[in-house]
Amino acid sequence: DIVMTQSPDSLAVSLGERATINCKSSQTVLSNPNNKNYLTWFQQKPGQPPKLLVYWASVRESGVPDRFSGSGSGTDFTLTISSLQAEDVAVYYCQQHYSSPWTFGQGTRVEIK
Amino acid sequence: QITLKESGPTLLKPTQTLTLTCTFSGFSLSTRGVGVGWIRQPPGKALEWLALIYWDDVKRYNSSLKSRLTITKDTSKNQVVLTMTNMDPVDTATYFCAHTATEVAFDYWGQGTLVTVSS
Repeated sequence: DIVMTQSPDSLAVSLGERATINCKSSQTVLSNPNNKNYLTWFQQKPGQPPKLLVYWASVRESGVPDRFSGSGSGTDFTLTISSLQAEDVAVYYCQQHYSSPWTFGQGTRVEIK
Repeated sequence: QITLKESGPTLLKPTQTLTLTCTFSGFSLSTRGVGVGWIRQPPGKALEWLALIYWDDVKRYNSSLKSRLTITKDTSKNQVVLTMTNMDPVDTATYFCAHTATEVAFDYWGQGTLVTVSS
């Protein structure tokens, strides 16, 4: 199974400042035939299901604010919130769907400093 | 629009079998590339992927839970059913079903259903 490891487990950022979350996979999630990284970022707020933010590592889902961006390839990925807003307080998860079983990271909790 | 809703028991005793139904609308599970998966989340803990079934009846399972899980679909009823045998208190969690298509991971989710396992 591919193990997904996120860092840090939690971070506190001031409003308007940048938040950076890292995700590392134990094996590549880059598909050579189509050059796509099968890596997705989700946001989960209390009492809600996860919400898709970014897929294929860097493609922002429709309707997601452009302060959210994904980057990386192969085994190392980053989700960046360029200017943290109060409504961004949540737990963020990365997930790979390159190979079965699909696996999630352990989550990163983002709070306001 | 795409919607999914989980249903099933809220309370089980240890050793019992859990049967959850995901009823969906807005898509067909006979369309090429479409799948429905199950994910769970123990209270205060991380998401755990459980199982996935595709339009062509291909099924995938969590490695450590594979012996306890069965996923099936009823295309005519727009439903996917997950069964998990030999339930234990550690299986207490909110269980979600979610839609996947065209190589994008779960883009639509149900609200989830909390299942508690207790004697």
